[in-house]
Amino acid sequence: GEKVEQHESTLSVREGDSAVINCTYTDTASSYFPWYKQEAGKSLHFVIDIRSNVDRKQSQRLIVLLDKKAKRFSLHITATQPEDSAIYFCAASNSGSWQLIFGSGTQLTVMP
Amino acid sequence: GGIITQTPKFLIGQEGQKLTLKCQQNFNHDTMYWYRQDSGKGLRLIYYSITENDLQKGDLSEGYDASREKKSSFSLTVTSAQKNEMAVFLCASSPWGGADTGQLYFGEGSKLTVL
Repeated sequence: GEKVEQHESTLSVREGDSAVINCTYTDTASSYFPWYKQEAGKSLHFVIDIRSNVDRKQSQRLIVLLDKKAKRFSLHITATQPEDSAIYFCAASNSGSWQLIFGSGTQLTVMP
Repeated sequence: GGIITQTPKFLIGQEGQKLTLKCQQNFNHDTMYWYRQDSGKGLRLIYYSITENDLQKGDLSEGYDASREKKSSFSLTVTSAQKNEMAVFLCASSPWGGADTGQLYFGEGSKLTVL
């Protein structure tokens, strides 16, 4: 079955710098790639997603890139702020599937 | 807006005990999910339900039962708690369709500790 690997378990950046979190997936049929954020002591909430018909999507300071050939997708957070500190989870799903396969999470710390 | 409410927030059980977690949503969403979150392992799907009275097994269903008697509620039972088990169980819902039709909305989680 599908496996999603999240390569950085922890990531520290200085406030104002960019942060990049990378994920790879195994199933070439995967077509939907959302990202979720989990702040300390809270539950997950959706931040951004990308579908396989595009290779880039931006929402304010968040950019998602998708490289289907390499089966890799990444989350770029520009001009980081302390409130960006959280665990970020990538995920992947096939079209029509009920299962969302999650990566293991990246703890991002934005230092003042 | 809506909300997903999970009860209890904290659950302490004994080895071999049967334990039940409850989830209520007022989004009027069709699909509901139970995920297990272990430290360093991401989220793994236990059960999901496409509509009332429907149950589908996820990759981690062994050792669990689920029940969806109403559209708004989805419960999960740990059939025999394992000693030293510790995990967070997350309930989620989505409007309709598969996992790729849009975002999941998550509850705050239920933390299980087995003594």
